[in-house]
Amino acid sequence: DVKVTQSSRYLVKRTGEKVFLECVQDMDHENMFWYRQDPGLGLRLIYFSYDVKMKEKGDIPEGYSVSREKKERFSLILESASTNQTSMYLCASNLQGPSFFGSGTRLTVV
Amino acid sequence: QKEVEQNSGPLSVPEGAIASLNCTYSDRGSQSFFWYRQYSGKSPELIMFIYSNGDKEDGRFTAQLNKASQYVSLLIRDSQPSDSATYLCALNLDSNYQLIWGAGTKLIIKP
Repeated sequence: DVKVTQSSRYLVKRTGEKVFLECVQDMDHENMFWYRQDPGLGLRLIYFSYDVKMKEKGDIPEGYSVSREKKERFSLILESASTNQTSMYLCASNLQGPSFFGSGTRLTVV
Repeated sequence: QKEVEQNSGPLSVPEGAIASLNCTYSDRGSQSFFWYRQYSGKSPELIMFIYSNGDKEDGRFTAQLNKASQYVSLLIRDSQPSDSATYLCALNLDSNYQLIWGAGTKLIIKP
């Protein structure tokens, strides 16, 4: 079975902090994705990566950056956390076809 | 126009009945279609995928695809309270591994 692991299930951070969300997949998938999900807004793509050191902006990249130094790891970085970044963050990976998700990180910025 | 449309619901179905969830899409280049189930506070999990026109059955679930009419459906037979969740429809376009997501339909199965 595909396993996508997100490092934290719940996080509370202060406004202005730099926040790192980590995601690791164990299926040698080329593609990895970061989404945020808010009530009534569905899944929104922040960034994705189709290869090591490659990244592409999604629909809402502002305030975020990413890093993919190794194939299995895709990190999301909030440069200066703000309260409007309080959300559920979901990492996913795929090769072709369906995406597989991690368990999510519920981030609260206070 | 949104690329993937789903009725947000909630759709309320009695236990034991058939739940029918629908999804329409706008891009005729869409190749693959996926249904995910998401319980409250959890991440989406894949339940079915379909590539060809027609029906695909897996246990109590049937996915139906009609590319000419640009819709994909999910039928859940013998609905159980544990089927209560939000169901997300997704697709990907030719040569593109990024999935395009619908906003989801909330399904409630009433005992």
